[in-house]
Amino acid sequence: DAGVTQSPTHLIKTRGQQVTLRCSPISGHKSVSWYQQVLGQGPQFIFQYYEKEERGRGNFPDRFSARQFPNYSSELNVNALLLGDSALYLCASSSRTSGGSSSYNEQFFGPGTRLTVL
Amino acid sequence: GQQVMQIPQYQHVQEGEDFTTYCNSSTTLSNIQWYKQRPGGHPVFLIQLVKSGEVKKQKRLTFQFGEAKKNSSLHITATQTTDVGTYFCYQGAQKLVFGQGTRLTINP
Repeated sequence: DAGVTQSPTHLIKTRGQQVTLRCSPISGHKSVSWYQQVLGQGPQFIFQYYEKEERGRGNFPDRFSARQFPNYSSELNVNALLLGDSALYLCASSSRTSGGSSSYNEQFFGPGTRLTVL
Repeated sequence: GQQVMQIPQYQHVQEGEDFTTYCNSSTTLSNIQWYKQRPGGHPVFLIQLVKSGEVKKQKRLTFQFGEAKKNSSLHITATQTTDVGTYFCYQGAQKLVFGQGTRLTINP
């Protein structure tokens, strides 16, 4: 079975531009989460979607938006890019959403999209 | 917001030495997960701990969840060069939060 796939692998943009990143979860997984990882730091949570609905949002500005499609794939959009948006953007899929003391929500990460903003 | 603090930030050991990373929270956690990220790679799930005082082992790796469910540790016995990477704790029950990670480097 294919793992989580992300496209593109690398992307170079200039300040003020807009970018769309794509993620395909593992077959059967209905939950997709997006993370931003700046070099040398842990991943920072951006969004979680489950069954096409937003289930969680991290502390990111409104320039960041996302959506999940009927086939459970997802897109992350970032508008008005800033230099500080340069990072590795990770997508993770799981079979269920987070929450609950007994929930087992192992996340499977994709290889990420390396975004460079010049 | 809820955070998990992880220490140390870096650890360099000689191959064969042991390694431990600690994860602490100011609030009680429902569960905690550990991930490993190799240089240039993406996080890979290692384990989830749910019960107070839980201890789980995977070969040379030992994971513990504190009695108060506010801290956790990962201990590697007799490190090997394949253990190189950054180890993250993660709590996803209340909010999806990764610790800052402990970067392990090994001198062969």
